[in-house]
Amino acid sequence: DGGITQSPKYLFRKEGQNVTLSCEQNLNHDAMYWYRQDPGQGLRLIYYSQIVNDFQKGDIAEGYSVSREKKESFPLTVTSAQKNPTAFYLCASSPRPLGEQYFGPGTRLTVT
Amino acid sequence: QKEVEQNSGPLSVPEGAIASLNCTYSDRGSQSFFWYRQYSGKSPELIMFIYSNGDKEDGRFTAQLNKASQYVSLLIRDSQPSDSATYLCAVNPSGQAGGFKTIFGAGTRLFVKA
Repeated sequence: DGGITQSPKYLFRKEGQNVTLSCEQNLNHDAMYWYRQDPGQGLRLIYYSQIVNDFQKGDIAEGYSVSREKKESFPLTVTSAQKNPTAFYLCASSPRPLGEQYFGPGTRLTVT
Repeated sequence: QKEVEQNSGPLSVPEGAIASLNCTYSDRGSQSFFWYRQYSGKSPELIMFIYSNGDKEDGRFTAQLNKASQYVSLLIRDSQPSDSATYLCAVNPSGQAGGFKTIFGAGTRLFVKA
């Protein structure tokens, strides 16, 4: 079965701790994206990658970091510098730049 | 700032009716347009995409694009209670030098009454 997986589904952390969210796809897509969604809000782009070993900042990259060492994987680290990290995090992939995007199930992060 | 605007709703329609969801965008040079459905607490799922002016049909869904008026709409025929969700409009604007950023609207909540 082809698809995008994110883990874990729910994540709880104490303030001041870094946390890494996993995103894996077996769709052979080049492009991958990380979004953040807050209650009642639209999607905001954190980082995106069009190809392995390359990524660009989105609109709200401060306090986040990513890597793209493999085509299948695009992990997101939420650092202690992110002032308001509690949110629903969504990973997506696309078969081409500016193409349709397919989303993983999301990770709901709560930081207290 | 390039924008995508949607009425937040909720849009309430009776079962079996046609639901009409609308979206306007600010960048006249936008090239591709997408509709996603998001159930409460879940991730968005792609419904359809449209690139050319006119209508595109897929089952009970029809996307309509009018680039001159800068709007894109989604019609859902024979609406079912299972269609109750938030519908997100997404647009790829022009001027993508150095970036590939799809812009998402905040979504319209649809409620289909049984």
